[in-house]
Amino acid sequence: AQSVTQPDIHITVSEGASLELRCNYSYGATPYLFWYVQSPGQGLQLLLKYFSGDTLVQGIKGFEAEFKRSQSSFNLRKPSVHWSDAAEYFCAVASSGTYKYIFGTGTRLKVLA
Amino acid sequence: DGGITQSPKYLFRKEGQNVTLSCEQNLNHDAMYWYRQDPGQGLRLIYYSQIVNDFQKGDIAEGYSVSREKKESFPLTVTSAQKNPTAFYLCASGKADTQYFGPGTRLTVL
Repeated sequence: AQSVTQPDIHITVSEGASLELRCNYSYGATPYLFWYVQSPGQGLQLLLKYFSGDTLVQGIKGFEAEFKRSQSSFNLRKPSVHWSDAAEYFCAVASSGTYKYIFGTGTRLKVLA
Repeated sequence: DGGITQSPKYLFRKEGQNVTLSCEQNLNHDAMYWYRQDPGQGLRLIYYSQIVNDFQKGDIAEGYSVSREKKESFPLTVTSAQKNPTAFYLCASGKADTQYFGPGTRLTVL
């Protein structure tokens, strides 16, 4: 069955520290991969996406993610976290033309001043 | 400004009532989606539409209904048959395999 796993429900980091949020997927075909961010009570904002090509993708707000086919992972990283990055982060996977995403359950990020 | 609007932001319903959540987009996207979000469960797909006058059930369609009479609009009706409707509802539209989300509607059943 197709699935997306975000193993960390909560992560706490200090402002200025580096960040890595994990995402693992189980998918038969070559997946399309996405990271979204959600502030409390708001909709989801697209951070970045991977369809093909360079496995290291750059997104908005200084985020990047690396697709590792051998590990079935698409981890999100940021070298230096800002207090405004506190939010919930969702990984999603889809295949071309299916119009259906599968979302992970999210990782809530807390940033300490 | 291009974007996706959802209204109302907050909605209260008495048990046994049907309510309709609005979703409008001016991005000229063909596809539109409705998701339900509950704490700790991520997003679950209710219905989606790839084209006007056509829509498909998602993973949790029971107790919900939709229509797609215009490209720009995809309203969701939460019927009295939905046993636990209190949740945050997100609408999205999509193009080229990428989905973009509206700000959401929080529905509370009193």
